[in-house]
Amino acid sequence: DGGITQSPKYLFRKEGQNVTLSCEQNLNHDAMYWYRQDPGQGLRLIYYSQIVNDFQKGDIAEGYSVSREKKESFPLTVTSAQKNPTAFYLCASSPTGLAGAFEQFFGPGTRLTVL
Amino acid sequence: GQQLNQSPQSMFIQEGEDVSMNCTSSSIFNTWLWYKQDPGEGPVLLIALYKAGELTSNGRLTAQFGITRKDSFLNISASIPSDVGIYFCAGQGETSGSRLTFGEGTQLTVNP
Repeated sequence: DGGITQSPKYLFRKEGQNVTLSCEQNLNHDAMYWYRQDPGQGLRLIYYSQIVNDFQKGDIAEGYSVSREKKESFPLTVTSAQKNPTAFYLCASSPTGLAGAFEQFFGPGTRLTVL
Repeated sequence: GQQLNQSPQSMFIQEGEDVSMNCTSSSIFNTWLWYKQDPGEGPVLLIALYKAGELTSNGRLTAQFGITRKDSFLNISASIPSDVGIYFCAGQGETSGSRLTFGEGTQLTVNP
């Protein structure tokens, strides 16, 4: 089955620790995205990547870092510099250069709680 | 940056009723997308619109790309309990590349 997987579903970390959220897709999509969702709010873009070895900051990149070494993978690190990291994190991917290129498909999300 | 205003913020309806929600933008969009999110899950794409004036259906759902390219509407007919969730609009602008701008969402509650 083609799709996007995120792991783990729930993640707990102590204040001051870095933590990495996994995102893998087997849809052969070029572009991948990370969003943050807070209760009762919409989606805010953290980082995105349109091609391997390249990525751009979104609207709320401070305190986060990413890498894109493989087409299938786009891990997100929440660093200790992120002041309010508790949130629901969503990964998405989309094709590029084709009809439907702007249709983003989402993973199931990771809920991060800082203790 | 681009902003999307989605309304209403929440709706409480009886099973069987029709539902309408809309999004408006301060700038022109080339693409409008509608998503549904169940609690604790990722959003699922419902309908994608690519041309001004386009009207597209997906079962009981119908969405339209506004003729001004600054708005879009989603209608749900004969609602059922499993329609409960948050509905998001998203738009892709002329200068945003593959980035999408998302509305704040409409929380739909359906009473049996």
